[in-house]
Amino acid sequence: KNQVEQSPQSLIILEGKNCTLQCNYTVSPFSNLRWYKQDTGRGPVSLTIMTFSENTKSNGRYTATLDADTKQSSLHITASQLSDSASYICVVNTPRGGSQGNLIFGKGTKLSVKP
Amino acid sequence: KAGVTQTPRYLIKTRGQQVTLSCSPISGHRSVSWYQQTPGQGLQFLFEYFSETQRNKGNFPGRFSGRQFSNSRSEMNVSTLELGDSALYLCASSLGGSEYNEQFFGPGTRLTVL
Repeated sequence: KNQVEQSPQSLIILEGKNCTLQCNYTVSPFSNLRWYKQDTGRGPVSLTIMTFSENTKSNGRYTATLDADTKQSSLHITASQLSDSASYICVVNTPRGGSQGNLIFGKGTKLSVKP
Repeated sequence: KAGVTQTPRYLIKTRGQQVTLSCSPISGHRSVSWYQQTPGQGLQFLFEYFSETQRNKGNFPGRFSGRQFSNSRSEMNVSTLELGDSALYLCASSLGGSEYNEQFFGPGTRLTVL
């Protein structure tokens, strides 16, 4: 069964600290892996998209890694800010001919950054 | 460039009623996808439309349907509402040509079924 598991479910850190969120998947076949940030009451916003051949991709203070062999990904947030408080969702795309693929969503990690 | 817009933002219905939600994609985007988000299940894919044709569908009952118009705007309909249909319904648009295209999400419609 295609699944995306994220850990931890929730995380509280102090402003200025770094943190790493984990994503394990059992999706096959694999097309690409995405990380989204979702603020409360808003739609998700894309942070990174990585294909099979990409190990690392950065977007400002966000750095995503992908190990396609072990089917694991991580999202590292550097020097956290209060505005980083949100849910972070890992999404794996499995190809489906003639469409943009099937997106399999994790349930997200809820990050709270405290002053 | 305007983002994805969804109307209405909030909706309250009672069991057995039907509801229609609307989504206007980013200009130039031809693909519109719909998702249901609940606290227990997270985000789940409903269906995708491209050039007025449904080309992908998730595992939802037939009470959930949609359509896309020639201007790429899309509507989603849920008939015979159940309490479990209470959720945030999100639509996302993309250029649509590839599974690598980035999807841009709207703010969602919060549906409450009483």
